[in-house]
Amino acid sequence: DVKVTQSSRYLVKRTGEKVFLECVQDMDHENMFWYRQDPGLGLRLIYFSYDVKMKEKGDIPEGYSVSREKKERFSLILESASTNQTSMYLCASRGTSGRTDEQYFGPGTRLTVT
Amino acid sequence: GDSVTQMEGPVTLSEEAFLTINCTYTATGYPSLFWYVQYPGEGLQLLLKATKADDKGSNKGFEATYRKETTSFHLEKGSVQVSDSAVYFCALTSPAAGNKLTFGGGTRVLVKP
Repeated sequence: DVKVTQSSRYLVKRTGEKVFLECVQDMDHENMFWYRQDPGLGLRLIYFSYDVKMKEKGDIPEGYSVSREKKERFSLILESASTNQTSMYLCASRGTSGRTDEQYFGPGTRLTVT
Repeated sequence: GDSVTQMEGPVTLSEEAFLTINCTYTATGYPSLFWYVQYPGEGLQLLLKATKADDKGSNKGFEATYRKETTSFHLEKGSVQVSDSAVYFCALTSPAAGNKLTFGGGTRVLVKP
């Protein structure tokens, strides 16, 4: 069965802390994505990666960076967390042969920055 | 750029009621259209899709028809169940946008017994 897992379901951090959100997929997918989900705004793409060590900015990359050292793992990094980064973060993956719709999502990490 | 607008929720219904969630879009070229569903505590799942005008996507009793003339992709279900309580997202992808998914704001649906 297809699986995308995220390291934490809930996370509370303080302003200025460095935060790592981890995502792992077991489907050997080339493409991985990080979104943030906010009420009324839907999902917005932060960064995506189409191969190991490759990354592309999405629609709202400011304040974030990513790392993809291994194919199955895609990390989202908040260098210095701020309160406006309090949100739900969703990771997704997709194989190259699949159409864009065939993105498989993890359960999400709800991050609170105080 | 591309955009998706869907009706705001929450939508509260009784079991066996008819559900409609409106979705309209703006996109260049010929987008593909999708509905995703997010059940409580879970990630998003693809519910249905349509890739060209007049196509009808269907799954689990839900249907949506790609209407190019009205740039709409409304989601319908004839008789909802409590288990349909979830957040529903309309989304599109278009070649002009590099085939990235663009999502609407989501509509929360609550079905009461």
